Amino acid sequence: AQRVTQPEKLLSVFKGAPVELKCNYSYSGSPELFWYVQYSRQRLQLLLRHISRESIKGFTADLNKGETSFHLKKPFAQEEDSAMYYCALRMRSGNTPLVFGKGTRLSVIA
Amino acid sequence: NAGVMQNPRHLVRRRGQEARLRCSPVKGHSHVYWYRQLPEEGLKFMVYLQKENIIDESGMPKERFSAEFPKEGPSILRIQQVVRGDSAAYFCASSRGQDTGELFFGEGSRLTVL
Repeated sequence: AQRVTQPEKLLSVFKGAPVELKCNYSYSGSPELFWYVQYSRQRLQLLLRHISRESIKGFTADLNKGETSFHLKKPFAQEEDSAMYYCALRMRSGNTPLVFGKGTRLSVIA
Repeated sequence: NAGVMQNPRHLVRRRGQEARLRCSPVKGHSHVYWYRQLPEEGLKFMVYLQKENIIDESGMPKERFSAEFPKEGPSILRIQQVVRGDSAAYFCASSRGQDTGELFFGEGSRLTVL
């Protein structure tokens, strides 16, 4: 069964400090990994996906198949990064839905 | 360009009543997903539908819950004989196709069972 684990419910960092939101997954096949974000009073929205290998709002995430991880990183946190972050996984092929982790609330302190 | 629209945003029901939650996907999207979020929990997948078809309902409770996405009109998640444990936020999402991986979410419908 597919499972996504985000070990931290809450992560607080100071503005300008590096950020790493952890995500580990369990899945035997070839997965697609995503990070979704929900800012205050906004809808949940896609932040980035591993196959794009792009940086969005300064965030990057690398899929590490050996460690089955997809940690989200940003070198210098900004106050506007404060939000709820969800890691999600799905099978690469077929009609399969996204499976979400429980989320990590990032709080960036000025 | 309206996003996913869910209604009602808030619904209060007494135990034993029925709850109906509606979801209109993004225009042009033919795939709809329902997720449930319990307090202190993440998003739990419930059901995945295309027009007139249920593709995956592995996350739906076996009893009292049903979902449809008719040819015309919104997708509906129906909960019969609600119990207090059904109190949660129910989120709908849509996608253009099955391979995009990008879901567009609604604002959610919060069900409270008294």
